[in-house]
Order: sequence, then structure tokens, then C-alpha cells
Amino acid sequence: EAAVTQSPRNKVAVTGGKVTLSCNQTNNHNNMYWYRQDTGHGLRLIHYSYGAGSTEKGDIPDGYKASRPSQENFSLILELATPSQTSVYFCASGTGVERLFFGHGTKLSVL
Amino acid sequence: QQKVQQSPESLTVSEGAMASLNCTFSDGTSDNFRWYRQHSGKGLEMLVSIFSDGEKEEGRFTAHLNRASLHVSLHIREPQPSDSAVYLCAVSMKGTGSKLSFGKGAKLTVSP
Repeated sequence: EAAVTQSPRNKVAVTGGKVTLSCNQTNNHNNMYWYRQDTGHGLRLIHYSYGAGSTEKGDIPDGYKASRPSQENFSLILELATPSQTSVYFCASGTGVERLFFGHGTKLSVL
Repeated sequence: QQKVQQSPESLTVSEGAMASLNCTFSDGTSDNFRWYRQHSGKGLEMLVSIFSDGEKEEGRFTAHLNRASLHVSLHIREPQPSDSAVYLCAVSMKGTGSKLSFGKGAKLTVSP
């Protein structure tokens, strides 16, 4: 089974602070995705990547940056965290129309 | 932007009775439809993926797609208490691969 590992699993940050969420996949998948999940909204796509060095904006990119330094790693960066970014964040990897493999999520609280 | 809506928002069924969940989408060029399950506090587990009109069965889970009606459903045969979870419908538009739009989810409770 493909593996997607997110770190940290839980994070408490202060408003205005910088937060980096990390994702690592050992599947050699080209595509990686960052979603956030909120009650009443389902999962919403923040940023995605088609390979090392590429990042694309998803449906709700404002306030977030992404970095894909290698095939295996995809980070989500909140330069100036706000309470509205309190959420559960999921990373996923996949190869086009094949199934996506999701990590277990990172619960972020911004106080 | 694709709109994906699920109904009902929550459903309770007895163990062994069929459970049915519905999903409508707004973009008729969508070409891949998936159902995921999420147990409380866990990640997402894909149950079934369907590309063509008709049905696709994966074990006790069957997806029905009617592209003309912009509708895809999930039927769970002989549900068990361990199937209690949130079920999410996900749709991708043609040419976007795994770039999925999700519904808000439907909470299924299976009572013994």
C-alpha cells in the first residue's frame, strides 16, 4: 500500500507566526495535493504539484504557499498564520486519474 | 468551478439493510467519480472509482453513474457498524486527472 506521511500530526501556532506543514510520499507519484477540511465545506484544494519544482494554485490558495523541492516532498507554508486557517490539512499523492493516497491529516490550531 | 452536492447529510440504517447515498455535480464534462470513506479522526480511504455510465462494484460497495442526470450514487450492501463513517463524493473534470472537487460528506451510522 502506498504511503503518504504528514508531519506534524498536531500543531498549535500563534497568529502572525510562520507554519510549515510537511508531506512525504514513497510512491514515486508525480502529483501531490494539499487540501483542508472544515465542517460544512468538505475538502477544498489549496495547492497542488505535478512534479519537483512545480506548484499550482488550487481553489483556495490565498494565504498559503507551497514548495515541491523533490519528487517525495511537498510542503504547505503559512507565512502569517491567522485563526481562519485553523483546520485539518490533508496531503495526497497520485498519478493522474489513478487513485489518490491520503495522509492521516494535520490538525492545525491558530490562536 | 465544479459544485458537488451530497444528500442526505446524515443517514442511519440498521445492520444488514442497504444504505444509499447520493451525489450531484454541476460540470457535465466531468470524467471521473469517486467515493471515499473517512472514519472519525482518520484519513480518506477510496471505496470505488467510476468513469462510465452504469455501475461499478467493489466488494459490498456499488457506484451508479448517470452522467446525463449529473448524478452518482453509492450503495452499501449489508452494512455493518464498522461502516459507520463520513462518506465523501469526489469528482474530477476532464483533463484534470486527480484534481478532485469534493462534496461536504454524508455521515452514515449503522446500528446493530
